[in-house]
Amino acid sequence: AQSVAQPEDQVNVAEGNPLTVKCTYSVSGNPYLFWYVQYPNRGLQFLLKYITGDNLVKGSYGFEAEFNKSQTSFHLKKPSALVSDSALYFCAVRDLGYGGATNKLIFGTGTLLAVQP
Amino acid sequence: DAGITQSPRYKITETGRQVTLMCHQTWSHSYMFWYRQDLGHGLRLIYYSAAADITDKGEVPDGYVVSRSKTENFPLTLESATRSQTSVYFCASIRASGSTDTQYFGPGTRLTVL
Repeated sequence: AQSVAQPEDQVNVAEGNPLTVKCTYSVSGNPYLFWYVQYPNRGLQFLLKYITGDNLVKGSYGFEAEFNKSQTSFHLKKPSALVSDSALYFCAVRDLGYGGATNKLIFGTGTLLAVQP
Repeated sequence: DAGITQSPRYKITETGRQVTLMCHQTWSHSYMFWYRQDLGHGLRLIYYSAAADITDKGEVPDGYVVSRSKTENFPLTLESATRSQTSVYFCASIRASGSTDTQYFGPGTRLTVL
């Protein structure tokens, strides 16, 4: 069965420092991976996705993610954190059915990013 | 550009009552989804729909009923609410069966069952 894991419940970083939010995946075929962000009392917003191609994916708000097949990871990164980046971040993988990729997403448990001024 | 809306945004009910959460999208997306968000579990899929009159169970369907008579609406009903159904519920949609498409989420409904 497909799954993603976010090993850190919370990540603390100082404003201006680089940030990394970790995600590892387990899939039986080629993974379709996503990052979403959730601000307080809001729905999830799409940040970026990896389907195929370049291992470094660039997304919204200056975020990027690196796909690493050998380590089965898809870590979210940003070179310089902002206080406004403080939010809950979810990694997700598209579920694979018998016929291939489905439209269902399997989410990680989320990582709370706290950026201190 | 209304997108995807949910109503109500907040709901308090009592154990045993029936509750319906509404979801409406203006894009004519084929697929729609209901998730619940709980601490320590992330988002879990309750039900999804590939088109009008086509629905299927997700990971945690027990105690929930869905219908989809129109493409744009996907209501979720708790037939007899229980305290364990206290959660934040999110509706989402995706355009079609293309595997590279992105799901778009509504703002959520916070449900409390007393």
